[in-house]
Amino acid sequence: NAGVTQTPKFRVLKTGQSMTLLCAQDMNHEYMYWYRQDPGMGLRLIHYSVGEGTTAKGEVPDGYNVSRLKKQNFLLGLESAAPSQTSVYFCASSKLNPPNTEAFFGQGTRLTVV
Amino acid sequence: DAKTTQPNSMESNEEEPVHLPCNHSTISGTDYIHWYRQLPSQGPEYVIHGLTSNVNNRMASLAIAEDRKSSTLILHRATLRDAAVYYCILRGLGGATNKLIFGTGTLLAVQP
Repeated sequence: NAGVTQTPKFRVLKTGQSMTLLCAQDMNHEYMYWYRQDPGMGLRLIHYSVGEGTTAKGEVPDGYNVSRLKKQNFLLGLESAAPSQTSVYFCASSKLNPPNTEAFFGQGTRLTVV
Repeated sequence: DAKTTQPNSMESNEEEPVHLPCNHSTISGTDYIHWYRQLPSQGPEYVIHGLTSNVNNRMASLAIAEDRKSSTLILHRATLRDAAVYYCILRGLGGATNKLIFGTGTLLAVQP
């Protein structure tokens, strides 16, 4: 049982380059989330999805796009990377209805934009 | 979104109980209280959650005030492995309020 898997684990980008981060979950969860975490800070929600084909903005969506074409995958795209997007990115998933709303997190992707 | 307030940091000694407080005075009647923790260089992991009654599981206990405006996460015997940032989060029933919004949490240091 893999849970939530993020690909890649590390990446260095040059300013202006684009990339896509992949999050895959094998728990048939409806909700998926993308967060970023800067040094010494808590996690901030970038975008989230309440089901296949749906996405919504979180707290800090600017500069990012997402897609949820398949229920098990949630992609985070950076069209033109900036140094301010240097961060650790976490993906999470959870079921829809409480009380079983435990969220499962991936191990993170460390992104550096130079 | 309802907000939570936690102390920035706390210290404990190994094998002693730890009480981590959280204030959530604007909690709504249908908000669940969730606790997550984040060990160094790892993603957050679920600890416990509750609605009105106190809850126990293998990791911790959650004590919820009668008016639900505050709660306390209790680690019964702290170990070095419990050193982490602990986040108290309110989560609604569904739709937009079901998303997890993290604050800055409490950094717990455990001394041997």
